[in-house]
Amino acid sequence: GAGVSQSPSNKVTEKGKDVELRCDPISGHTALYWYRQSLGQGLEFLIYFQGNSAPDKSGLPSDRFSAERTGGSVSTLTIQRTQQEDSAVYLCASSPGLAGGRGETQYFGPGTRLLVL
Amino acid sequence: GNSVTQMEGPVTLSEEAFLTINCTYTATGYPSLFWYVQYPGEGLQLLLKATKADDKGSNKGFEATYRKETTSFHLEKGSVQVSDSAVYFCALHSGGSNYKLTFGKGTLLTVNP
Repeated sequence: GAGVSQSPSNKVTEKGKDVELRCDPISGHTALYWYRQSLGQGLEFLIYFQGNSAPDKSGLPSDRFSAERTGGSVSTLTIQRTQQEDSAVYLCASSPGLAGGRGETQYFGPGTRLLVL
Repeated sequence: GNSVTQMEGPVTLSEEAFLTINCTYTATGYPSLFWYVQYPGEGLQLLLKATKADDKGSNKGFEATYRKETTSFHLEKGSVQVSDSAVYFCALHSGGSNYKLTFGKGTLLTVNP
């Protein structure tokens, strides 16, 4: 079946502009995660959605970052007033989100490579 | 908080050599442990995992054993191939209500023919 898809695959923007990154999780997966992969920081968690529960935003680096998930499926990560340090690969992952899902595998998308000039 | 420490690379081996990539962790409770792999130009994919102490995860000739007493989850393969060249990430989640992954910094493996 289809895996996690992300768009765009690459995005170049100017400092100060807003960007939107999209993630389509695997159908039926209720858990969705955003991570950021950068040279300096490695892979870091940003935000987590599980069903209709309030998202865990504890990893968002600043209030310029926000995310939403519509209808429990597609998610959009928005970065406002982009800065050069926002340049990174943004990864989305989904998992079934089963109750007591210990050891549940997360399936990653190919990522969006963001470059802020 | 949770943390994962894995050996820094890059690691360069000849084909058929033995591979070990060390990984140790700090976590609350009883974490689940994972190795993810990122092949050149591809996305992250799960290589293997273990969810409780003494469990051994295995896949594609790779193995790792969950050692609670040493808080370790070292990755091993007896005979590497050129196609194993990739970046390997050790990761954990400590469960509860949020299964976010905490990753190590990654180890670049290059296997030469």
